Amino acid sequence: KNEVEQSPQNLTAQEGEFITINCSYSVGISALHWLQQHPGGGIVSLFMLSSGKKKHGRLIATINIQEKHSSLHITATHPRDSAVYICAVRANTGNQFYFGTGTSLTVIP
Amino acid sequence: DGGITQSPKYLFRKEGQNVTLSCEQNLNHDAMYWYRQDPGQGLRLIYYSQIVNDFQKGDIAEGYSVSREKKESFPLTVTSAQKNPTAFYLCASSTLTRGSRQPQHFGDGTRLSIL
Repeated sequence: KNEVEQSPQNLTAQEGEFITINCSYSVGISALHWLQQHPGGGIVSLFMLSSGKKKHGRLIATINIQEKHSSLHITATHPRDSAVYICAVRANTGNQFYFGTGTSLTVIP
Repeated sequence: DGGITQSPKYLFRKEGQNVTLSCEQNLNHDAMYWYRQDPGQGLRLIYYSQIVNDFQKGDIAEGYSVSREKKESFPLTVTSAQKNPTAFYLCASSTLTRGSRQPQHFGDGTRLSIL
């Protein structure tokens, strides 16, 4: 069983649509991270959350600690948002990170 | 700017050959990690190190070896014992503080293929 589960696995959106990616986890965490991986492979960190909600431009991330669930929303998607989005958690009992399998987003112009 | 540098970006290995992937960071992070990424799977931990001259096996360490002689460097050797080495390899680093909320920083990855 994976410590982090993401859905959906693949997502296609028309430019301008609102999309949501979901993440559930089963371990105690000190923080949850949303990562973006572009086709070239490099990974960048979009958000780090330990509670509540964060917004950065068209991206919004929320977390519900009691339900062990987080969502990443992208409002008004753009083709440059096409990437793999990965949910990761940092366990609060060590220094290990656990990763979801990623959601591949394709935004069609 | 501080960051993580992985090299090479692409690497080809012949059967029976060992290859070494380089990872250097100038973020002054204590912890460094090696992950393997295969299509449709999440990142899987190969090895990690929390301090110089010490490292621990991750979930899929068989066929790999590492060293941590300097804080800045954490090279990964893919040995001939690794029967399915074709994958994308990512190096990462982070602060070490227990319960830290700091994220991992990732390199740009090395794509290893078998000739």
